Amino acid sequence: GQNIDQPTEMTATEGAIVQINCTYQTSGFNGLFWYQQHAGEAPTFLSYNVLDGLEEKGRFSSFLSRSKGYSYLLLKELQMKDSASYLCAVTDSNYQLIWGAGTKLIIKP
Amino acid sequence: GAVVSQHPSRVICKSGTSVKIECRSLDFQATTMFWYRQFPKQSLMLMATSNEGSKATYEQGVEKDKFLINHASLTLSTLTVTSAHPEDSSFYICSARDGQSAETQYFGPGTRLLVL
Repeated sequence: GQNIDQPTEMTATEGAIVQINCTYQTSGFNGLFWYQQHAGEAPTFLSYNVLDGLEEKGRFSSFLSRSKGYSYLLLKELQMKDSASYLCAVTDSNYQLIWGAGTKLIIKP
Repeated sequence: GAVVSQHPSRVICKSGTSVKIECRSLDFQATTMFWYRQFPKQSLMLMATSNEGSKATYEQGVEKDKFLINHASLTLSTLTVTSAHPEDSSFYICSARDGQSAETQYFGPGTRLLVL
């Protein structure tokens, strides 16, 4: 079956760095997405990785290793507004988007 | 990034009535739109995939006669919840795939439905 695993919840301190991991087992691979979702709101697009390596975009970076079925989202200089759920999603061989359950990130002052 | 609007943002209705939710891509043509449902503290659940000019593809367990989807143009898809019941109360979110940036889905702001 298809499966995406990410931690349910993480806690970090304002100003610090946090890494949210995502592992996947899917039938084929056509890219991995990270989305941010604040409570009560729809997800917003953060990043898309289809090749191995690190993609940096401001305070957020996303890494992909296709051979390991692994990705992480790195958030630097954490701000209180970064408190949200972070969803990992993979596009499989049929271009279907398979969603992880999301990681709730709690930022403490 | 691409903009997707959704209307209404919130609706309260009586049990047995039908509710229509609109999803529009504002600055791009969306050949494919997706409808999701999200219950509190749960992840997104794909309900159906909607391709412009053709019938929607529903996920297993989603009643196509209850959740009517129309994708009449490249910028508009509608979801109609027919004969809504309290258990249909949920957060309904649409997303649209930009035809040029083929992989990324952009989400509308969502519609919170409460059926009394």
